[in-house]
Amino acid sequence: EVQLVESGGGLVQPGGSLRLSCAASGFTFSNYWMHWVRQAPGKGLVWVSIINTDGSVTRYADSVKGRFAISRDNAKNTLYLQMDSVSAEDTALYYCARDTNRKKDYWGQGILVTVSS
Amino acid sequence: QSALTQPASVSGSLGQSITISCTGTSSDVGDSNYVSWYQQHPGKAPKLMIYDVNKRPSGISSRFSGSKSGNTASLSISGLQAEDEADYYCCSYVNTGSWVFGGGTKLTVL
Repeated sequence: EVQLVESGGGLVQPGGSLRLSCAASGFTFSNYWMHWVRQAPGKGLVWVSIINTDGSVTRYADSVKGRFAISRDNAKNTLYLQMDSVSAEDTALYYCARDTNRKKDYWGQGILVTVSS
Repeated sequence: QSALTQPASVSGSLGQSITISCTGTSSDVGDSNYVSWYQQHPGKAPKLMIYDVNKRPSGISSRFSGSKSGNTASLSISGLQAEDEADYYCCSYVNTGSWVFGGGTKLTVL
């Protein structure tokens, strides 16, 4: 069974940093591109970032470019999102999702990040 | 990258059919066969309903269908059931290598 479990969320001060993790199981993690998608409270889904199978290709939404960094450790079956210089606008539930032939076919349950002083 | 445009809400009676539109640009929906639709119930993770414009994943009811014309994609649901009440999001690949979601549509089943 495919499982994606996010962790590392919580309360962070404006300007601070946080690293999210997404532990994958039930499939060969190293064969799949992976996404981060976020959802602010009461708002819609917003695509954040994507990484290819070996980490050599990454893409970001303009809103996080230069502040967030996506990475992966295929030996640990884990996806990461390093979040730096966060602001209140980054407060959201963050989902990791598997990409299969350009479709996000499996999603984690999400992890909440709250940016507040 | 601006969000794709969806109606904020649509409604339909049990058994009826509805269509949700998703309008983008020639850089995303109009230039991509990778348009997908996701269903999200309150407090739950999104669920893939349609991919590659009009394909259904295994286990998704044939009551759900997708189409595209120009810069606008559409999700149609026939024979509305109470459990179809949810938020629906379209998503498109962008020719710059990124992705964009629609703003979401709340479906109410009357």
